[in-house]
Amino acid sequence: DTAVSQTPKYLVTQMGNDKSIKCEQNLGHDTMYWYKQDSKKFLKIMFSYNNKELIINETVPNRFSPKSPDKAHLNLHINSLELGDSAVYFCASSQTGTGDLGELFFGEGSRLTVL
Amino acid sequence: GENVEQHPSTLSVQEGDSAVIKCTYSDSASNYFPWYKQELGKGPQLIIDIRSNVGEKKDQRIAVTLNKTAKHFSLHITETQPEDSAVYFCAASPWGAQKLVFGQGTRLTINP
Repeated sequence: DTAVSQTPKYLVTQMGNDKSIKCEQNLGHDTMYWYKQDSKKFLKIMFSYNNKELIINETVPNRFSPKSPDKAHLNLHINSLELGDSAVYFCASSQTGTGDLGELFFGEGSRLTVL
Repeated sequence: GENVEQHPSTLSVQEGDSAVIKCTYSDSASNYFPWYKQELGKGPQLIIDIRSNVGEKKDQRIAVTLNKTAKHFSLHITETQPEDSAVYFCAASPWGAQKLVFGQGTRLTINP
């Protein structure tokens, strides 16, 4: 069974379109994340949700809207796509203790290409 | 906020030799330092981590050292094998921040 699964794996779309990436984890973790990996492989956090509540928003443009219907799911919707949004988006989950961060489990990534 | 610098960006070693990757961090409140390995087309996967109350940790061929005073930590891989070829990321997490700040990554190539 895949621990953190995200769909689609590949997404090619035109500038200006709206697209969504879905993520699900079956590890029973309470915290989920979206990370963006650019063409230089740099990994940067975008959002973090703990038990469906947004706890981190790293100054991501308003065009990006995460939604967590329950603690096992964290979806990412992107409006009005721009060329600079092209990247690999990784979903991750972890079980967070009081103050201490645990291991992050990453999905396999969703490669978004904006033409 | 936390800033993590990682060097080198690329590293090529002969099979059987050792590889060392170094990272520095800026926030003295950081207390958790994991290392992730990312293989082609996959998500990063934790290979070893260390918390600030420990100076060194070893797991078979992999070891991590932490110098809190100098704010740097290093990954050591001994007896390298072709399957060690991947991109390696260091990261740091300030206590209570509930997030990882990653270094820029090191592409490690093991030459047979």
